[in-house]
Amino acid sequence: RKEVEQDPGPFNVPEGATVAFNCTYSNSASQSFFWYRQDCRKEPKLLMSVYSSGNEDGRFTAQLNRASQYISLLIRDSKLSDSATYLCVEMNTGNQFYFGTGTSLTVIP
Amino acid sequence: EPEVTQTPSHQVTQMGQEVILRCVPISNHLYFYWYRQILGQKVEFLVSFYNNEISEKSEIFDDQFSVERPDGSNFTLKIRSTKLEDSAMYFCASSILGYEQYFGPGTRLTVT
Repeated sequence: RKEVEQDPGPFNVPEGATVAFNCTYSNSASQSFFWYRQDCRKEPKLLMSVYSSGNEDGRFTAQLNRASQYISLLIRDSKLSDSATYLCVEMNTGNQFYFGTGTSLTVIP
Repeated sequence: EPEVTQTPSHQVTQMGQEVILRCVPISNHLYFYWYRQILGQKVEFLVSFYNNEISEKSEIFDDQFSVERPDGSNFTLKIRSTKLEDSAMYFCASSILGYEQYFGPGTRLTVT
């Protein structure tokens, strides 16, 4: 089962830049999606939930496009502390989480 | 802020031995999960647990694995007869309603 696909990157962007990641999923019946961030050798930390058309939280905006089966994460005004791996997660109808392989972001001073 | 805790942070064991990984989920959460992440690979679902029973499990979660909630706070993952390929980071997670999941810091299991 091809679940969640992400561009692994790496994305290297200067401080203050805007960066966007995309993630595609294969199960059209899935209703819930999430973005997590994971720092090296640490646990995934919930960044945003994406239930319907999208969600915004400060510098972060997540969008869901059901027709094309992808979700995106936009980070505006990147900070050094945003450097991490961003994990796209699809939750299936059985409440199982399927993680993507992650997109690596490095914000450069 | 309440957190999921896990012990030990690192466990080294010999092939063939049994290990028990322990987790204390967030106190008012009702759904509990175990995941593993082999170094350099993605996070993989193992099992979910609700109302004192397994609700979902993946193909990875075979007879070698079992879970238990022995009391009102702990949630354990037992791995019998460990193999070299069981070496990974094991994450416990909990959720109040079965949607957003909050992860513990993980137990790094090294099988030698």
